[in-house]
Amino acid sequence: QAVVTQEPSLTVSPGGAVTLTCGSSTGPVTSGHFPYWFQQKPGQAPRTLIHDVTEKYSWTPARFSGSLLGGKTALTLSGAQPEDEAEYYCLLTYSGVVVFGGGTKLTVL
Amino acid sequence: EVQVLESGGGLVQPGGSLRLSCSASEFTFNNYGMTWVRQAPGKGLEWVSAIVGNGYDTFYADSVKGRFTISRDDSKSTAYLEMNSLRADDTAVYYCAKGRGPYSTQPEVWGQGTTVTVSS
Repeated sequence: QAVVTQEPSLTVSPGGAVTLTCGSSTGPVTSGHFPYWFQQKPGQAPRTLIHDVTEKYSWTPARFSGSLLGGKTALTLSGAQPEDEAEYYCLLTYSGVVVFGGGTKLTVL
Repeated sequence: EVQVLESGGGLVQPGGSLRLSCSASEFTFNNYGMTWVRQAPGKGLEWVSAIVGNGYDTFYADSVKGRFTISRDDSKSTAYLEMNSLRADDTAVYYCAKGRGPYSTQPEVWGQGTTVTVSS
């Protein structure tokens, strides 16, 4: 089974920008891995932010964006808010089987 | 509002069985894949299983293959996760989620989760 890697933790200043990345042990991440990004706050269920690399939902704040970057998929937060402090997870799909990354704890400080 | 609601969690002894249910509302259930994801205490998300909209294809994580079975009853807008030979490391909050389309194995709209504890 593939391993999906994320930064364990990152810190961003309020109003600042940060990029979280998500890589695959099998090689470059492509749109064919159907990358997703999720936000989870303590005690809450996850919330889906991004699907298929770049596509947002109606509930996704405009300050979040997705991309492919240097063989990985990335989630960029521009203009961080205190409420963005959370755990962020990505997932990649391998012939129908989904693998989550280990999560990135984002601190807004 | 699209919703999914899990039920069936509880305390079970090692080696035992449990069936989780996921009841869906406000969408045409048979048009969407359904997924189960779990989260052990203090740990990250782990994808468990998915079933496509027509029920013909199912997918499993290696950690549960041969022990867990996913199914769906479109007439009841409900998905199920039958869990057998349960182990302590199956202890987790189990989330059900609706996918984006009929062949989606990724979670999109999440329930609030149901807790499974495997302990003697």
